[in-house]
Amino acid sequence: DAKTTQPTSMDCAEGRAANLPCNHSTISGNEYVYWYRQIHSQGPQYIIHGLKNNETNEMASLIITEDRKSSTLILPHATLRDTAVYYCIVRPWNTGNQFYFGTGTSLTVIP
Amino acid sequence: NAGVTQTPKFRILKIGQSMTLQCTQDMNHNYMYWYRQDPGMGLKLIYYSVGAGITDKGEVPNGYNVSRSTTEDFPLRLELAAPSQTSVYFCASKSIDVEAFFGQGTRLTVV
Repeated sequence: DAKTTQPTSMDCAEGRAANLPCNHSTISGNEYVYWYRQIHSQGPQYIIHGLKNNETNEMASLIITEDRKSSTLILPHATLRDTAVYYCIVRPWNTGNQFYFGTGTSLTVIP
Repeated sequence: NAGVTQTPKFRILKIGQSMTLQCTQDMNHNYMYWYRQDPGMGLKLIYYSVGAGITDKGEVPNGYNVSRSTTEDFPLRLELAAPSQTSVYFCASKSIDVEAFFGQGTRLTVV
């Protein structure tokens, strides 16, 4: 699986958009970008994934650059409950083989 | 559906003792995973399985064993507990077209 690079930590004001970047410059053509988050002490939770088009669901939006070497997860109106560690993972879709978590970005939403 | 269930939630072991961490899923997922997470760190893959009877090593398999005799169960065995195995252990499952669901973790302390 391609390696990803994320900032160690970020802050965001409550109610504002949180933009979490991820670099994946070695991503290959069949690899998707996945985002998970882990709220303190809980198991990770799936958020969203995409290949090359921008994606949106009820939790977040995912913006992938045209060259696919980086992406941004957007939480449009951050709440205190969005305080968590956010992991960006790249891997082929539709395989059950191993997938690896990096160290992620610790997002703190400030009141 | 209960999802992914891990037992026990907490355990203290003495050095050299053995134990089995249980993981059960009721979603008929083929793929199952064990991760460990040390304080302040990301998740490290220990073992994974792509179906009943099939297991393979992840990033940090030393000191652990697994088995997958049924689709539902994926127990993780520690034979000779060491302080370095103090960690939070997460089990996850997924199917070919569904993203991973994680259990709530087992917090293990080896003293």
